[in-house]
Amino acid sequence: DTGVSQDPRHKITKRGQNVTFRCDPISEHNRLYWYRQTLGQGPEFLTYFQNEAQLEKSRLLSDRFSAERPKGSFSTLEIQRTEQGDSAMYLCASSSYYTDTQYFGPGTRLTVL
Amino acid sequence: SQQGEEDPQALSIQEGENATMNCSYKTSINNLQWYRQNSGRGLVHLILIRSNEREKHSGRLRVTLDTSKKSSSLLITASRAADTASYFCATDESNTGNQFYFGTGTSLTVIP
Repeated sequence: DTGVSQDPRHKITKRGQNVTFRCDPISEHNRLYWYRQTLGQGPEFLTYFQNEAQLEKSRLLSDRFSAERPKGSFSTLEIQRTEQGDSAMYLCASSSYYTDTQYFGPGTRLTVL
Repeated sequence: SQQGEEDPQALSIQEGENATMNCSYKTSINNLQWYRQNSGRGLVHLILIRSNEREKHSGRLRVTLDTSKKSSSLLITASRAADTASYFCATDESNTGNQFYFGTGTSLTVIP
C-alpha cells in the first residue's frame, strides 16, 4: 500500500464519549499532519508531527483534542468528551522531509449525536 | 482560521472549455499548492509553486503566482467531466513553514 490510510472511515458517537482515530502515513514520510474539514469549508490545520515530535498545534485547538505519534510512524488523534460541534471529516496527511507536497488519506467522518 | 480564499465559490462550464480559479492569501508564503477534492473523498495534490516561481505547468494545468498581489490562479484547459470537483489552494506562512492554510474552495462542475 503506497497511500495514507485512516481508520475508521466513519464513526458515530454520542455526545460526551471519547473517540480515537488512527492514521498510517506513507512509510518513508517523516512529517504527519492532522486537519479537520466541515461541509463547504477547506481543511483546517490541527497539528503537525516531525517524526515522533509534535512541533505545531493550532491555537484554536481545544484541550479535548490530543494527538500522538509514539514511534514516528502511525499517529492517533483522540477527542475527549465529544461535542456536536466536533462533527466533521478528520483528515491526515504526510510528506517527506525533501518535499512540501502533502499526501492525504481518505479521512474519518465523525458524527456526534 | 483560513488564510486563502478562492474565487469564484462555484463555477459551471461545458466540457472542452477552460476553467480558471483564483486564490488570494494574506501573508508572505514559502509556497502555494493546489489540491482537488471529489465529493466526500480525500484531497489530491495537483501542483506546487514556490514563492520565487511565477508560473508552472503540469499537463492541462497552469498555475501562476503573483506574490506582490498575494494571489494565484489555476487554469484547467480543455476541461473534462472528470474534472468536476472542489479545488483548494493551500499556503504555508513564511514564519511558520509547517502550518498549511487552505482556502474555502471553488466548486467546479463540468457539464458533458
